[in-house]
Amino acid sequence: QKEVEQDPGPLSVPEGAIVSLNCTYSNSAFQYFMWYRQYSRKGPELLMYTYSSGNKEDGRFTAQVDKSSKYISLFIRDSQPSDSATYLCAIPKAAGNKLTFGGGTRVLVKP
Amino acid sequence: EPEVTQTPSHQVTQMGQEVILRCVPISNHLYFYWYRQILGQKVEFLVSFYNNEISEKSEIFDDQFSVERPDGSNFTLKIRSTKLEDSAMYFCASRTGFGNQPQHFGDGTRLSIL
Repeated sequence: QKEVEQDPGPLSVPEGAIVSLNCTYSNSAFQYFMWYRQYSRKGPELLMYTYSSGNKEDGRFTAQVDKSSKYISLFIRDSQPSDSATYLCAIPKAAGNKLTFGGGTRVLVKP
Repeated sequence: EPEVTQTPSHQVTQMGQEVILRCVPISNHLYFYWYRQILGQKVEFLVSFYNNEISEKSEIFDDQFSVERPDGSNFTLKIRSTKLEDSAMYFCASRTGFGNQPQHFGDGTRLSIL
């Protein structure tokens, strides 16, 4: 089983819709969870990071962690065409250590 | 907002040549990293660097690779004798030394080996 998995998409939604992205992981020792956004030919840009189960909200973005199911989610409300990008979940094995990335989900928000 | 900068944005090199990729991490950061992303594949960890030494490296990071922090601002990745399969995007990242702060990435260097 792969350590971190994401559906590659593409996920196509109309402008204004809620985008729902998911990531599963295999190692129950993981404690920190991050979401990055990557535009074409650009580096990963940090969106959110969370520790422990529950929800964290930042503007239009909500990150959700369910450690019992080893499942993390990112929701984007009121999606905009500028949200069209690849979204990567990333998990460090311990504080400061290397990040293990999912394969990314490509999102297309149509005007 | 401070950012990680990488140069060059695109490097084209003949197979077998040495290449040096350069990064300027965010100024108060203490942990530095290199990752690579082959076209269409996942971002993969190469190496982490702290207190002037390698703290962890992946199996990809073999003897052909080396890292250096030659001064107080630059962080470099050297590939001694490039192979076709080294063609990829190479990303530098850095983080502070405080708590569990996340890594911040540069926009990468696209390395093309001919």
